[in-house]
Amino acid sequence: EVQLQESGPGLVKPSQSLSLTCSVTGYSITSSYRWNWIRKFPGNKLEWMGYINSAGSTNYNPSLKSRISITRDTSKNQFFLQVNSVTTEDTATYYCARSGVGALFDYWGQGVMVTVSS
Amino acid sequence: DVVMTQTPVSLPVSLGGQASISCRSSQSLVHSNGNTYLHWYLQKPGQSPQLLIYRVSNRFSGVPDRFSGSGSGTDFTLKISRVEPEDLGDYYCLQSTHFPWTFGGGTKLELK
Repeated sequence: EVQLQESGPGLVKPSQSLSLTCSVTGYSITSSYRWNWIRKFPGNKLEWMGYINSAGSTNYNPSLKSRISITRDTSKNQFFLQVNSVTTEDTATYYCARSGVGALFDYWGQGVMVTVSS
Repeated sequence: DVVMTQTPVSLPVSLGGQASISCRSSQSLVHSNGNTYLHWYLQKPGQSPQLLIYRVSNRFSGVPDRFSGSGSGTDFTLKISRVEPEDLGDYYCLQSTHFPWTFGGGTKLELK
């Protein structure tokens, strides 16, 4: 069974970088699919942030493009999210998710809550 | 970006009753390939979102036939018949016709 699990610090200071890991089991991230990051803000709004595909190419939401980076470690079957210069507006629950064609997110991690605060 | 507007924000229902959620997009979701990439997700309390309906009206694997999706162009509807306790939660529409992919604001289905 495919499983995804996010990990990372729950508290980040403003102006610093947020770094999260998504560990995938049951499927190789180099085989197929896109591997996404999505976040849910305290007001319940969802935002798709970006993905890395099985070939290693990335695609980012333009609203975040200057601050975001998604990378991977194929030897560990993990992919990563980095958001630079965070503000309190980046406080959210962050999810990693697998998608096929057309943003069909079929497997999700359980989510990790990140608070940006001094 | 395509703005997805969901109504209502909150929807009180009785168990066994019917619920209808509307999702409207700021531009047509018909892709140049003829497909319409409008999907519905449910986030139950304490869980991650789960895919219910893809491309307007196709139920994802394991989704009961009490859930149905319809619509075209810019107007879409999710209907839930014979509401059960496990149907309660936050419903979101998502468009992936246009980049970037965008979600609706959500509809909370709760007990009356």
